[in-house]
Amino acid sequence: QQPVQSPQAVILREGEDAVINCSSSKALYSVHWYRQKHGEAPVFLMILLKGGEQKGHDKISASFNEKKQQSSLYLTASQLSYSGTYFCGTPDRNSGGSNYKLTFGKGTLLTVNP
Amino acid sequence: DTGVSQDPRHKITKRGQNVTFRCDPISEHNRLYWYRQTLGQGPEFLTYFQNEAQLEKSRLLSDRFSAERPKGSFSTLEIQRTEQGDSAMYLCASSPEPGNTIYFGEGSWLTVV
Repeated sequence: QQPVQSPQAVILREGEDAVINCSSSKALYSVHWYRQKHGEAPVFLMILLKGGEQKGHDKISASFNEKKQQSSLYLTASQLSYSGTYFCGTPDRNSGGSNYKLTFGKGTLLTVNP
Repeated sequence: DTGVSQDPRHKITKRGQNVTFRCDPISEHNRLYWYRQTLGQGPEFLTYFQNEAQLEKSRLLSDRFSAERPKGSFSTLEIQRTEQGDSAMYLCASSPEPGNTIYFGEGSWLTVV
């Protein structure tokens, strides 16, 4: 029941765009996106609570397609600081949709080069 | 604004020894979580507290693991008779209620030799 992320890794040049996908075989109540730099804590980026919801944070935005049971994270005009591993997390169905028990994907390693 | 703090940040221990990690959540966050993360994987849920009550434990948490949150503030995670497979980063997180955002600490790295 772990969400599946794709691609596993992506290398960009500064200024290029990237899309990271997160899909699940089960119904999604919400999707949480985090970025983690090597040796550091996962840092919260955004949460999408409703199907069809889209959010943005600086030049990073995300969408949530409830019907397709997937979410996508869009990184526009990437900066060096965007480098890291991006994780999506989804709440456990048995938690009744409450967000306390997240199951995370394996992550997508994003490297932004000058 | 103080984030979630964890101590120690790094611990190297011999197999069979006991270790304890401490977590101080963000002030007034009544939900506290422990996750474990190994290389190349996302965080895996271990256990969850609402105030001082431990409401759920993952099957990953064997009998050698125990977590407490005695006064509903800080929490400890103890691992008894450590094994090499326990080597991982142990992440603590907290969230307010109501609220959906879970904030992680910087983790405690455990190496069992």
